[in-house]
Amino acid sequence: GNSVTQMEGPVTLSEEAFLTINCTYTATGYPSLFWYVQYPGEGLQLLLKATKADDKGSNKGFEATYRKETTSFHLEKGSVQVSDSAVYFCALGYGNKLVFGAGTILRVKS
Amino acid sequence: DAGVIQSPRHEVTEMGQEVTLRCKPISGHNSLFWYRQTMMRGLELLIYFNNNVPIDDSGMPEDRFSAKMPNASFSTLKIQPSEPRDSAVYFCASSLKGRAEAFFGQGTRLTVV
Repeated sequence: GNSVTQMEGPVTLSEEAFLTINCTYTATGYPSLFWYVQYPGEGLQLLLKATKADDKGSNKGFEATYRKETTSFHLEKGSVQVSDSAVYFCALGYGNKLVFGAGTILRVKS
Repeated sequence: DAGVIQSPRHEVTEMGQEVTLRCKPISGHNSLFWYRQTMMRGLELLIYFNNNVPIDDSGMPEDRFSAKMPNASFSTLKIQPSEPRDSAVYFCASSLKGRAEAFFGQGTRLTVV
């Protein structure tokens, strides 16, 4: 079946540190891949997406590359800010359904 | 764009009472989803609609839960009777039909005491 596995959190970083949140997936066919972010008390917001192998999604300094050979879609940011503290969800989409990972809490301290 | 609008934002109710959560999807979107989020189980898809028709309700936990979409701009999720284990944040999301990219509302935090 379709599933997403994310690295467990919480991830705690100092401001300006480099961020990587790992995400791997299992899927039949060719899904789209997404990263969503959830700030405290809010709903999920789409952060970035990639629809086919080797595509790179990017937004707000975050980026992730759709790697079919390793079935991965790791999220990276070169320099995190305190305002990036949130929960990050990796998801795969097939048809019009999304399958989410468990989420990774990111805490950035000043 | 107003985005997906959910009401109420917070609901506190007593066990055994009926609870109705409301959702207005983004105009023009024809798929609507209801999710439940808890610490223990993460995000769970409860049910989704295409063109107001329920397509998959396999995630609805039990018969106490029901969802309707009487028109393209409104959906409800009802719990009757409510139980403390239903306490969670319930999200509504919408998308264009055939597109997995969904847009989420702010959620309704339900507390059943």
